[in-house]
Amino acid sequence: GQQLNQSPQSMFIQEGEDVSMNCTSSSIFNTWLWYKQDPGEGPVLLIALYKAGELTSNGRLTAQFGTTRKDSFLNISASIPSDVGIYFCAGLGSMGAGGTSYGKLTFGQGTILTVHP
Amino acid sequence: EAQVTQNPRYLITVTGKKLTVTCSQNMNHEYMSWYRQDPGLGLRQIYYSMNVEVTDKGDVPEGYKVSRKEKRNFPLILESPSPNQTSLYFCASSGDGIAYSFFGQGTRLTVV
Repeated sequence: GQQLNQSPQSMFIQEGEDVSMNCTSSSIFNTWLWYKQDPGEGPVLLIALYKAGELTSNGRLTAQFGTTRKDSFLNISASIPSDVGIYFCAGLGSMGAGGTSYGKLTFGQGTILTVHP
Repeated sequence: EAQVTQNPRYLITVTGKKLTVTCSQNMNHEYMSWYRQDPGLGLRQIYYSMNVEVTDKGDVPEGYKVSRKEKRNFPLILESPSPNQTSLYFCASSGDGIAYSFFGQGTRLTVV
């Protein structure tokens, strides 16, 4: 199946530092999504990006939909201890020879974020 | 309260014994889907459904079945579970297919 390459796999940072992670794919997507997962919980949607080139913010989080529709990045500014968790990118609605597969969601492998106080 | 409910939360079963994991949403969402999560592999989509009686395969459908007879329910069926299906499973729903914004709490399945 398709794969999204998410990097880095893990990050150890000090409180107050900025964080950046990104995702690349060989497939074109209609929508890019970023999720956060806390231990023992389901993923929580942080940001959704719908148009190529779109830059969207949600508080200290900023994400961009790459112009080629094959990549996206997420920045977290001024990290705090509660930012700890696993962050996943996901591409929705891949476009292929058979058309667009709406409803089909592909995740990256995740970035484990640790924030030291 | 808007939610996606999975049952059971934990299940230990033996190889070959058919099982069903239920998923229900109370938001009248059209899109529902199932994922499995394994260490180092992230979440992988098993099946998704765009509406009643309309389902399609995700990236890892082998060994699983689904049905969508009612809009609110989307059960995941393992006809003959095997140890390689030991995993953490999540169900999710979306009102418009644009973003799956509601995930269940997960079902941890162990097949011995």
